[in-house]
Amino acid sequence: KAGVTQTPRYLIKTRGQQVTLSCSPISGHRSVSWYQQTPGQGLQFLFEYFSETQRNKGNFPGRFSGRQFSNSRSEMNVSTLELGDSALYLCASSLVPRQNQETQYFGPGTRLLVL
Amino acid sequence: AQSVAQPEDQVNVAEGNPLTVKCTYSVSGNPYLFWYVQYPNRGLQFLLKYITGDNLVKGSYGFEAEFNKSQTSFHLKKPSALVSDSALYFCAVRDGSNYQLIWGAGTKLIIKP
Repeated sequence: KAGVTQTPRYLIKTRGQQVTLSCSPISGHRSVSWYQQTPGQGLQFLFEYFSETQRNKGNFPGRFSGRQFSNSRSEMNVSTLELGDSALYLCASSLVPRQNQETQYFGPGTRLLVL
Repeated sequence: AQSVAQPEDQVNVAEGNPLTVKCTYSVSGNPYLFWYVQYPNRGLQFLLKYITGDNLVKGSYGFEAEFNKSQTSFHLKKPSALVSDSALYFCAVRDGSNYQLIWGAGTKLIIKP
């Protein structure tokens, strides 16, 4: 079974631009979560989607948004990029959300560099 | 509030020696605990989890973790370290109120030949 895939793997943008990242979950997984990883802040939760609906949201500004499609694939968008948005963006999928025992499986991430 | 602490930023171990990566947690209800490993320029890989039952949990790549309720700890262990175990290790606990994973800051494990 294929793992979580994320595209693109690397991205360079300039301040003020916007970016869209894509995530395809493991086949059969219906929940997708997004995280931002930086050396200073560690892993920070962005949001979680299930059945095309955002179920949970972290403490990020409105410039960060996402969506999920009927096939469970998800995209996240960051508008008006800032230098501080440079990070590794990780997508994780699980069978269902909101289950304590559920394991999240991560993709390889998209490394975004904002210049 | 739920929290996870990984008290060591870095752990150095000689190849062949046993290794321990420490994790302590604070939760209001039952703890659901996870360990993940991250190799350079890669995503996180699931190692093992504690849900209930035996305090010693066995996982991938020969790793195991010991759940200790009285000490609120969930330390990751391996009897004999390999150079290829060198990576960044994350402990996480599930927040039962909103089901979010609360992550530790990570511990860099360096195994020297």
